[in-house]
Amino acid sequence: AQSVTQPDIHITVSEGASLELRCNYSYGATPYLFWYVQSPGQGLQLLLKYFSGDTLVQGIKGFEAEFKRSQSSFNLRKPSVHWSDAAEYFCAVGARNAGNMLTFGGGTRLMVKP
Amino acid sequence: EAGVTQFPSHSVIEKGQTVTLRCDPISGHDNLYWYRRVMGKEIKFLLHFVKESKQDESGMPNNRFLAERTGGTYSTLKVQPAELEDSGVYFCASSQAPRNYQPQHFGDGTRLSIL
Repeated sequence: AQSVTQPDIHITVSEGASLELRCNYSYGATPYLFWYVQSPGQGLQLLLKYFSGDTLVQGIKGFEAEFKRSQSSFNLRKPSVHWSDAAEYFCAVGARNAGNMLTFGGGTRLMVKP
Repeated sequence: EAGVTQFPSHSVIEKGQTVTLRCDPISGHDNLYWYRRVMGKEIKFLLHFVKESKQDESGMPNNRFLAERTGGTYSTLKVQPAELEDSGVYFCASSQAPRNYQPQHFGDGTRLSIL
């Protein structure tokens, strides 16, 4: 069975600082990988996805993530954080079968200091 | 295009009552998923419809939960009778029929509180 671990429950960064959110997964083959963001009072918005090919993927809002098979990781990065990035971030893995259900990590809540 | 719509946004009911949650997927999306996040826990898969058929309901917690998708359009998730542990946020997601993998688009969720 697949699983996803987000080691950091909370992270606080200063506005303008760089950000890296960690994600480790367990899956028997090459997975589909996703990062979603949930801003207060809103639903889950897809930031970016990895299916195959280039291991560095670009997403919306200036985010990127890098798939590292050897480390079973898919960390999310942003070079300069904005106050509006304060939200909860979820890493997810999708099974490569007909169902394609998502397995989520526990989420990382990002706070941004002025 | 309109996104995934969930109704109601919040529901507060007493233990033992019945509640029905509704999800309207993006038009043309054959796949519809229900997920749940209980406080402090991960978002967990409940079930998956392809059109009107249940493809996978392995995540449904027990027989107090009943999901339907009549005509392959909107879906309902009924909890009867509701228990305290059913409190949480219920998310619906939809995706197109996969030729290649299609990402899931989520609604804003229904926050369910059982008193």
